[in-house]
Amino acid sequence: NAGVTQTPKFQVLKTGQSMTLQCAQDMNHEYMSWYRQDPGMGLRLIHYSVGAGITDQGEVPNGYNVSRSTTEDFPLRLLSAAPSQTSVYFCASSPLAGVGGAQYFGPGTRLLVL
Amino acid sequence: KQEVTQIPAALSVPEGENLVLNCSFTDSAIYNLQWFRQDPGKGLTSLLLIQSSQREQTSGRLNASLDKSSGRSTLYIAASQPGDSATYLCAVSPLSNFNKFYFGSGTKLNVKP
Repeated sequence: NAGVTQTPKFQVLKTGQSMTLQCAQDMNHEYMSWYRQDPGMGLRLIHYSVGAGITDQGEVPNGYNVSRSTTEDFPLRLLSAAPSQTSVYFCASSPLAGVGGAQYFGPGTRLLVL
Repeated sequence: KQEVTQIPAALSVPEGENLVLNCSFTDSAIYNLQWFRQDPGKGLTSLLLIQSSQREQTSGRLNASLDKSSGRSTLYIAASQPGDSATYLCAVSPLSNFNKFYFGSGTKLNVKP
């Protein structure tokens, strides 16, 4: 199993550009989520999904969109990038939908918005 | 909103020492609490998961305890090794929505040979 994979590993954007961060898992997990991690801070939940077709907002959802068309994939879209979105983004998945559980994390995507 | 605090932010100890990392949270109505390890430039690795009905969990040299009433959890590392050097984060999921997780900012541990 590859586990949780994220692409790209690093991306530079200009203010106003859009892009999609990809996340995929091959463990048949129902729960998937996106976090951002800023220096000196813990991870903050952006959006999460408890199954295909079901998404909900986390703590810091503004400026980000998600969709979940398959169990395996959970892309994160930045509609109009801003310097405040410079961060490291982590995708995670869990085998237990709706009841919580140990999460498996991807290696992260470093995003720099100029 | 749940607030999670980890003190100290950094800790340096000599190899072989037993140590305790602290995690505190403001709302005791939690579903579970997890401890993670993060190596530089890497993702997070789950170490221990404690359900709200449990008092502790153990894995090898690691032992995590949970005291909901006081809003505290500790991660005990026995006989520390240089390979234990990493940032340790705790996260809680609230009873009100156990699909959400709130993280502390972590404790950066350095174990000196």
